[in-house]
Amino acid sequence: DARVTQTPRHKVTEMGQEVTMRCQPILGHNTVFWYRQTMMQGLELLAYFRNRAPLDDSGMPKDRFSAEMPDATLATLKIQPSEPRDSAVYFCASGLRQGVQYFGPGTRLTVL
Amino acid sequence: ILNVEQSPQSLHVQEGDSTNFTCSFPSSNFYALHWYRWETAKSPEALFVMTLNGDEKKKGRISATLNTKEGYSYLYIKGSQPEDSATYLCASLTQGGSEKLVFGKGTKLTVNP
Repeated sequence: DARVTQTPRHKVTEMGQEVTMRCQPILGHNTVFWYRQTMMQGLELLAYFRNRAPLDDSGMPKDRFSAEMPDATLATLKIQPSEPRDSAVYFCASGLRQGVQYFGPGTRLTVL
Repeated sequence: ILNVEQSPQSLHVQEGDSTNFTCSFPSSNFYALHWYRWETAKSPEALFVMTLNGDEKKKGRISATLNTKEGYSYLYIKGSQPEDSATYLCASLTQGGSEKLVFGKGTKLTVNP
């Protein structure tokens, strides 16, 4: 039963600390997405990759957020330095080109 | 319409009721319309992907229709059950090769036993 995995599931940190979230997409999927769930915006796209190349990161605050895919089995989203307004649930999703997206369980981030 | 809009924002029905809700999306450069079901404390799960005008898809008691010319889709649930309680999201994908789904804010359905 293939599924997207994310670690950690929960993260509590203090303002100013670096946070790294990891995602393992479903094997064979060539597109990986990072979303953030907030009360105000709902589900918003932060960045996405196709075949490990970043294609769109326009939804991501560039000064503190970065997203990478070091290899086909790992995507990372990093926040440095973190701020309380970054508190949210971060979802990773993977899929095949322009098809259904399969979401991971999410990382619930709390920045104090 | 520039964004994807869903209505109503929330809905409370009784077990056994049938219900439906609406997704409006930009009709220009349309490529596909996705519906996802999102239970509380879980992650969104795909219900349907529709691409052709007039498409109708069905999964059990849930069905969806698509009108690409006027830019709307309806999701229907027949004989609602408490386990249908969830937020239903629609998302639009436009032509041009982008994978970027634009999500609506969802319709939160609560089915009371």
